[in-house]
Amino acid sequence: GQQLNQSPQSMFIQEGEDVSMNCTSSSIFNTWLWYKQDPGEGPVLLIALYKAGELTSNGRLTAQFGITRKDSFLNISASIPSDVGIYFCAGQLAGGKLIFGQGTELSVKP
Amino acid sequence: DGGITQSPKYLFRKEGQNVTLSCEQNLNHDAMYWYRQDPGQGLRLIYYSQIVNDFQKGDIAEGYSVSREKKESFPLTVTSAQKNPTAFYLCASSFAGGELFFGEGSRLTVL
Repeated sequence: GQQLNQSPQSMFIQEGEDVSMNCTSSSIFNTWLWYKQDPGEGPVLLIALYKAGELTSNGRLTAQFGITRKDSFLNISASIPSDVGIYFCAGQLAGGKLIFGQGTELSVKP
Repeated sequence: DGGITQSPKYLFRKEGQNVTLSCEQNLNHDAMYWYRQDPGQGLRLIYYSQIVNDFQKGDIAEGYSVSREKKESFPLTVTSAQKNPTAFYLCASSFAGGELFFGEGSRLTVL
């Protein structure tokens, strides 16, 4: 079946550092979505990407839809303690089915 | 405020009991979904519904049942046939083919 490989699985960084995480797959996606999940809460949509090569920012967050349509990355600049959480990528196939990555758990040390 | 409401947030159940988790949305979304999340894992699709009175099995439907009698509501029943029901359950909704918006989740613990 379709799979998304999200890496890294976890990150421990110092406040102020930049963060980068990515998702890759052998499948081609029409849409890439990036979510953040706080402990005990539902995921919240951060950024949606709709076409290959698209680069979109949302505050300190930047995400790109890979040219091959098989990958995407998310960067967080100048991390702060409230960035802590689990970040999920999700790729949407042509038929509408959404495939989720395994998540990247981010810890930020003040 | 528009959004997705899941209840209860925490639920305890004895083995052998069925339990129903509620999910209501007032976003006028056509599609609704149920996901299961286990510690350290991603989201696995249980059931989804793209229109009222119709729903399809996801990747891990065994031991679960749903109904979609109203556009706003998509309750999930965790039956006694589900061998390992303790998990965090997430409901989501979307316009057809659009981004998913999630509820706050329901944590089910089987004692």
